[in-house]
Amino acid sequence: SAVISQKPSRDICQRGTSLTIQCQVDSQVTMMFWYRQQPGQSLTLIATANQGSEATYESGFVIDKFPISRPNLTFSTLTVSNMSPEDSSIYLCSVETGGETEAFFGQGTRLTVV
Amino acid sequence: LAKTTQPISMDSYEGQEVNITCSHNNIATNDYITWYQQFPSQGPRFIIQGYKTKVTNEVASLFIPADRKSSTLSLPRVSLSDTAVYYCLVGSLDSSYKLIFGSGTRLLVRP
Repeated sequence: SAVISQKPSRDICQRGTSLTIQCQVDSQVTMMFWYRQQPGQSLTLIATANQGSEATYESGFVIDKFPISRPNLTFSTLTVSNMSPEDSSIYLCSVETGGETEAFFGQGTRLTVV
Repeated sequence: LAKTTQPISMDSYEGQEVNITCSHNNIATNDYITWYQQFPSQGPRFIIQGYKTKVTNEVASLFIPADRKSSTLSLPRVSLSDTAVYYCLVGSLDSSYKLIFGSGTRLLVRP
């Protein structure tokens, strides 16, 4: 199993600013992912955070808007850049440990852009 | 990755058995079927996973017919705390394991 800590848990930000969300795992994991969940909606995969290389983005998401870092096997950050009210969502970090068939999720970061 | 179709919402009462069916007509040979549960303000949580026939754990049962084009999550004797969104996902464990979520089923358990 894996325990995931996301920071901050919530934030209210001004449009045009950027917010960096941190994801810390209590053990080394093979795969880390970032998701977005808009109000009342399902989860949408933003990107796969690759250790030591550039993240792999899904269609509709670009690095300039959502830069991702993964400096080691237990930590990743997602930055939401130049925010607009449309970016108001919950952002979730997910990991897969390699030895289990289930994925683990953080509690999420609730972002409100005003 | 195979697309899934689930009912948008379901209502039940405490103590009843709830069955949520998921359709995945394009499931591939290597795909597994996995169900996640999500409470408000929390990330999804793994419930159960299966490949074929029936799987049971302490939380739920998963029924998969021979053609694997659908599956049914069965929650025995639900309680108010089972009110949540339930997601059915299909995918290969050999892939990068990125999870593609469908719309999910919003289950409301009434007293």
